[in-house]
Amino acid sequence: EVQLLDSGGGLAQPGGSLRLSCATSGFTFSSYAMTWVRQAPGKGLEWLSSITESGGNTYYADSVTGRFTISRDNSRNTLYLQMNSLRAEDTAVYYCGRGGIGRTGVDYWGQGTLATVSS
Amino acid sequence: QSVLTQPPSVSAAPGQKVTISCSGSSSNIENNYVSWYQHLPGTAPKLLIYENDKRPSGIPDRFSGSKSGTSATLGITGLQTGDEADYYCGAWDYTLRGGVFGGGTKLTVL
Repeated sequence: EVQLLDSGGGLAQPGGSLRLSCATSGFTFSSYAMTWVRQAPGKGLEWLSSITESGGNTYYADSVTGRFTISRDNSRNTLYLQMNSLRAEDTAVYYCGRGGIGRTGVDYWGQGTLATVSS
Repeated sequence: QSVLTQPPSVSAAPGQKVTISCSGSSSNIENNYVSWYQHLPGTAPKLLIYENDKRPSGIPDRFSGSKSGTSATLGITGLQTGDEADYYCGAWDYTLRGGVFGGGTKLTVL
């Protein structure tokens, strides 16, 4: 059974950092691109970042470029999102997903982890 | 403002059919695959359609997708109250070099 488990959310101060993790199981992690998406309160889904199977290529939304870094550890079957220089507008539920939005779609998702940026 | 444009809401009666449009450009929909997602806030999104018109296993054939030029459409037939959710289209955008979602459409089954 394919499973994705998001974690790492919590409360951070403006300018602070959080590191999200997405632990996966039930499939060959290294064979899939992976994606992070978020939903701010009262807003729609926002694509944030994707990473290719090997980790050799990464892509970011303009809203997080230079502040967020996606990475993966194929030996641990885990995806990461390092979030620095956090702003209040980064407050959202963050979801990891298997696949890429422009390819076969994001077909499996984590349950989401809430990140709140507030002083 | 989202790169992909969807109507904010649609509604129909149980058993009826509804369509949700998604309008983009040559940078995204026209030259890339479109996927569709069903989402209830606070839960994991669900992939309904990928590669414009394909359904993942387990998605009933009441859900269909199509694409023409710079627009895509999600169709849902035999509406059920359990279909009430937010629906999003998504695609890759060559110009932005990133993924984009529509703003989402709230489906109400009256």
